[in-house]
This record gives sequence, structure tokens and C-alpha cells, in this order.
Amino acid sequence: GENVEQHPSTLSVQEGDSAVIKCTYSDSASNYFPWYKQELGKRPQLIIDIRSNVGEKKDQRIAVTLNKTAKHFSLHITETQPEDSAVYFCAASNSGGSNYKLTFGKGTLLTVNP
Amino acid sequence: DGGITQSPKYLFRKEGQNVTLSCEQNLNHDAMYWYRQDPGQGLRLIYYSQIVNDFQKGDIAEGYSVSREKKESFPLTVTSAQKNPTAFYLCASSIRAGSLSLHFGNGTRLTVT
Repeated sequence: GENVEQHPSTLSVQEGDSAVIKCTYSDSASNYFPWYKQELGKRPQLIIDIRSNVGEKKDQRIAVTLNKTAKHFSLHITETQPEDSAVYFCAASNSGGSNYKLTFGKGTLLTVNP
Repeated sequence: DGGITQSPKYLFRKEGQNVTLSCEQNLNHDAMYWYRQDPGQGLRLIYYSQIVNDFQKGDIAEGYSVSREKKESFPLTVTSAQKNPTAFYLCASSIRAGSLSLHFGNGTRLTVT
């Protein structure tokens, strides 16, 4: 089955700096890669996703890049703000198969210091 | 207010007892999921259901059971066979089985002593 590795497990940055979180996946058939943000005590929420037919996707201060050859994808947050502090999870799935399920990474605790 | 409701928020049980966690959604979503969240372990899939009256085991189904008798409801029973039941349980749904854009509930924290 799919295995997703996420690094780093914790990340501390100064407000205004950029943050990068990286994930690798094992199943070359995976074609859908979402990122979820979970603020302390709250539910995970989808913030951005990318499919294997594109290499990069942006939404304001966040972007995701995908390297299918190397089987890794990354979340980039620019101009970080204290409200970006949360746990971020990457995930992967082969949405074209009969198993419609996501495999999650273990999460990255991002702390943005004012 | 549309969404997923999990109840209760906190649940305490004695070892050896079965306990059922509630998950209700009014989003008219076909697919529903149960995840377990442990510190440093990410989200691990317990069971999922693509349609009413059908469900499949996820990666850590042992010691758990589910039912999907209604589209809106997907209760999870943590049985006494689950060796480490203390955890944070998250229910989620997606509009259809092929859509993996998940909407999560607020979770239930289960403590078994």
C-alpha cells in the first residue's frame, strides 16, 4: 500500500519568513495530493490540493509543487503570519482505483513567532 | 449550518466496555470515513463507506466496527478487542467516493481507563 513520509515534524519560523514542508510517497500510481491544516483543538481543513497532471498550484500565500519522477511534493507558505501556526498534514491517493482512500503523513507542527 | 457533527466531544469508558461514537452529516455526501489521530502518528484510516449499506476496512480496522444504515449516519463502535482505544477520533465525509476532498467533524476524544 501507499506510504507517505513527511518532514520536518516541527518547524519554527519568524513572522514574514517562508515555510516549506516536504512529503514523499511510495506508490507511483498515486495521483491526488491534498494538504490539510489543523489548528489547535479544531478539525483538519483542506487548504490546497494538486493532481498529478500539474507540477505546481498556487493560492495566495500558499503553493504546492509536485515532482512525479522523484515522488515528492511540497507545501510552500510565504510571508507567514501567526495565524498560520498549526499542524499541517500531507496526503496521497490513487483516486482512479477502486480504493478511494487517502494516506496521510504524520504531520508538521508549524509555529510562526511574532 | 451544514456540516458533520460528532458527539460527544469527550468520552470516558472503563476497559472492557464497548463504546459507540456518533457521526452525523447533513451535507448529502455519499462517502464517510473514520480516522484515528494519535500524537505524532498523523491520521490513520479505520473504516470507510462509499455508499449506504456498504463499508470497507481501512488500515487499522481491528477492534472496531461500523454500520451505514442511513446516508447521514456512520457510527463507530470501539470494542473491547481494541488494545489501545484511547485516542482522538475524527469522522469525515466526501461528496462521493471518487472525491477525496474531505470534510471533517470536530472529533471525539475517547479515554479508556
